[in-house]
Amino acid sequence: AQSVTQLGSHVSVSEGALVLLRCNYSSSVPPYLFWYVQYPNQGLQLLLKYTSAATLVKGINDFEAEFKKSETSFHLTKPSAHMSDAAEYFCAVSLHNNDMRFGAGTRLTVKP
Amino acid sequence: KAGVTQTPRYLIKTRGQQVTLSCSPISGHRSVSWYQQTPGQGLQFLFEYFSETQRNKGNFPGRFSGRQFSNSRSEMNVSTLELGDSALYLCASSWTSGSYEQFFGPGTRLTVL
Repeated sequence: AQSVTQLGSHVSVSEGALVLLRCNYSSSVPPYLFWYVQYPNQGLQLLLKYTSAATLVKGINDFEAEFKKSETSFHLTKPSAHMSDAAEYFCAVSLHNNDMRFGAGTRLTVKP
Repeated sequence: KAGVTQTPRYLIKTRGQQVTLSCSPISGHRSVSWYQQTPGQGLQFLFEYFSETQRNKGNFPGRFSGRQFSNSRSEMNVSTLELGDSALYLCASSWTSGSYEQFFGPGTRLTVL
């Protein structure tokens, strides 16, 4: 069965600093991997997805993630944090169907 | 193109009652998936419907059921509500089953008293 683990339920960075949110996956076959963002009282918005093409995936709002099979990781990064990036971020895995398994989420706080 | 819409946005029910939530997918999308989000359990997959058929099902009791209509709109029903059913219920649509990109609605916040 596939699953994801997000390391760190809360991450705090200063505005302009690097954002690094960690995600490790467990899957018996090459999975599809996703990062979603959720703002308060809203649904989930897709940031980026890995579907076995390029290992470095670029998403919206300057976010990117790198698929590392040897480390079973799919960490999310952004070079410079904005105040508007404060939200909850979810890593998710899917085995080519719509049964998507989510991590527990990481709440990102951006300090001025 | 309009996004995924869910109605109602907020709902308050009492234990033992039943509730029906509605989801209208993005135009042209034929797959609808439902998720439950709670602080304790996080985001959990409930089920997926495609072409009016349930394609996948998560690990939830039979009190949770759903259906999909010919226009791809979907409803989710929870019978005999329990306090633990209080959650944000999210609906996601995609073009087809097995499609890797799902678009989420804003959710229905259900409170069970």
